Amino acid sequence: EAGVAQSPRYKIIEKRQSVAFWCNPISGHATLYWYQQILGQGPKLLIQFQNNGVVDDSQLPKDRFSAERLKGVDSTLKIQPAKLEDSAVYLCASSLGGLAGPGNNEQFFGPGTRLTVL
Amino acid sequence: QKEVEQDPGPLSVPEGAIVSLNCTYSNSAFQYFMWYRQYSRKGPELLMYTYSSGNKEDGRFTAQVDKSSKYISLFIRDSQPSDSATYLCAMSLLYGNNRLAFGKGNQVVVIP
Repeated sequence: EAGVAQSPRYKIIEKRQSVAFWCNPISGHATLYWYQQILGQGPKLLIQFQNNGVVDDSQLPKDRFSAERLKGVDSTLKIQPAKLEDSAVYLCASSLGGLAGPGNNEQFFGPGTRLTVL
Repeated sequence: QKEVEQDPGPLSVPEGAIVSLNCTYSNSAFQYFMWYRQYSRKGPELLMYTYSSGNKEDGRFTAQVDKSSKYISLFIRDSQPSDSATYLCAMSLLYGNNRLAFGKGNQVVVIP
């Protein structure tokens, strides 16, 4: 079974530029998550989709970050304009369902996109 | 106070030693407790999960939960160089939104 795919793997941009990341979840997984992992920290949830609807975006800096999952499969996360503090690894994860509880809870993570903002 | 506290200090142990990691949490609504392992340049992968107090064993790994103290632990017996990774604790509600709250992670190095 193919895992969660992300691209690009690495990106270097200058501050105030824009950047976009792409994620393809595991086939059949209804729920997709974007996390931000700053060096030395645990992942922090930015946004959670259930199919193509947003379930939780309470920690997404909406003035500069946006995300979409138009057809309920692939997703893109955009930052515009980028700041130095956005340097981090952006992880995409997917799970069968969106509700907590054993069986459909396990989140499978992609390898991440490492963003450096200069 | 952060929801999940994990002392992020690195840990170096000789091969064969027991590794002990722990996290504390403040949200008593957390009922589902997980340990993720993250190798360098990779995404986290689920190592173990439990949703009750007590111990759960899986091979060389033991997860321990004490809900009364809001304290969870992970023990790795007979540690191997292949166990060298960052270990992250994570928690969520038992029902409802599947949002995971992570600790900062511990980098473990097992020296041959």
